[in-house]
Amino acid sequence: QQQVKQSPQSLIVQKGGISIINCAYENTAFDYFPWYQQFPGKGPALLIAIRPDVSEKKEGRFTISFNKSAKQFSLHIMDSQPGDSATYFCAASSDFNSGGYQKVTFGIGTKLQVIP
Amino acid sequence: SQTIHQWPATLVQPVGSPLSLECTVEGTSNPNLYWYRQAAGRGLQLLFYSVGIGQISSEVPQNLSASRPQDRQFILSSKKLLLSDSGFYLCAWSQRGDPKGEKLFFGSGTQLSVL
Repeated sequence: QQQVKQSPQSLIVQKGGISIINCAYENTAFDYFPWYQQFPGKGPALLIAIRPDVSEKKEGRFTISFNKSAKQFSLHIMDSQPGDSATYFCAASSDFNSGGYQKVTFGIGTKLQVIP
Repeated sequence: SQTIHQWPATLVQPVGSPLSLECTVEGTSNPNLYWYRQAAGRGLQLLFYSVGIGQISSEVPQNLSASRPQDRQFILSSKKLLLSDSGFYLCAWSQRGDPKGEKLFFGSGTQLSVL
């Protein structure tokens, strides 16, 4: 059962445009929402993350928008560049349990292509 | 600084052969360790995680096993590979008890092709 639904699975954006990737979750216990960026042949790397006590977080050209009541969050890439072409994963996790382990649930991934 | 090493980068194995993928982490102690498998259209699937030496938890039943013989070493194994074991395998670590959230640091992955 997919607990974090991500869309679209692929996205083509022109250079300079805005890339938008959406995710929705079901588990209201989730309280940490990271985005990972993966280039071909490499492992994913943490890009940006948000907690539900804020509605937006911005780091450079990357912004997470978070809607707690709708249980949705999205990644916006402003002024998209060809170097942003990669696969993006949203994810969600909840507080650590007594074992010190926090399970991260990933979305299915979005392959972004930014064309010149 | 912390680094994670995973090898080999690519591997082609015949059906029925054994498998051993190794992952080591440097620059930290007592990390949580993970094995993920990535398949097209299915995202990242957690296979195993470990919170300490000899402590392994499996997320899905499968033809694979994992071991953690040392604090910063994590091994993924199989006695007999199946065609369905093909995929991109990723090792990852996280800092235990990170109050800011579960930040995962991934290795560069192993592309396994079972023929």
